[in-house]
Amino acid sequence: DIQMTQSPSSLSASVGDRVTITCRASQSIGSYLNWYQHTPGKAPKLLIYAASRLQSGVPSRFSGSGSGTDFTLTITSLQPEDFATYFCQQSYSTLFTFGQGTKLDVK
Amino acid sequence: QVQLVESGGGVVQPGRSLGLSCAASGFTFSSFTVHWVRRAPGKGLEWVALISDDESNKYYADSVKGRFTISRDNSKNTVYLQMNSLRAEDTAVYYCARVETYYDSGGYPVEYLQHWGQGTLVTVSS
Repeated sequence: DIQMTQSPSSLSASVGDRVTITCRASQSIGSYLNWYQHTPGKAPKLLIYAASRLQSGVPSRFSGSGSGTDFTLTITSLQPEDFATYFCQQSYSTLFTFGQGTKLDVK
Repeated sequence: QVQLVESGGGVVQPGRSLGLSCAASGFTFSSFTVHWVRRAPGKGLEWVALISDDESNKYYADSVKGRFTISRDNSKNTVYLQMNSLRAEDTAVYYCARVETYYDSGGYPVEYLQHWGQGTLVTVSS
């Protein structure tokens, strides 16, 4: 199975900050990388697909980059509704795998 | 609009069985692969299983293989997850999600989970 490793596991930031989350795959996955936001009690929300494509309706302060094994999710100018947990997910393999998550909370 | 609604969660003793359903609406159900994903308390998202549009392909995470069975009834627009020999570590909110496909510049399909249900809680406890 392809292992996905995110860093950091948790991150404290303030409204207006810029934050970056990284995701590393255990093998090259091209651009088969998606990012989700999740808050308990809600459905997970797709943010970025194919490494860098912004899902329709997602604010432009979210962006993704990378290919191969190393990927990043960047949020510029954090808003109150952005404090949540973020997951990367590979779809290179039929058996999808997620990163362990990065919990973003208020500093 | 696309809607996915899970049901069937509850409290069950270790070793027992439980069946979940995912009812879909707002799209041509028989044309899409559906996945189950779970999130245990204090843990991250974990992919569980998938079933292709025509039920010809089914795949499972190692953690549930041999215990869980995914199926679908395209006449009822519903996907099922039959969970047997349940363990405490299966306690989680279970989500169904519909695949969407993007074709990159080389024509290769990149799949992602665009539409999700609200989830159903399964608690395995004596």
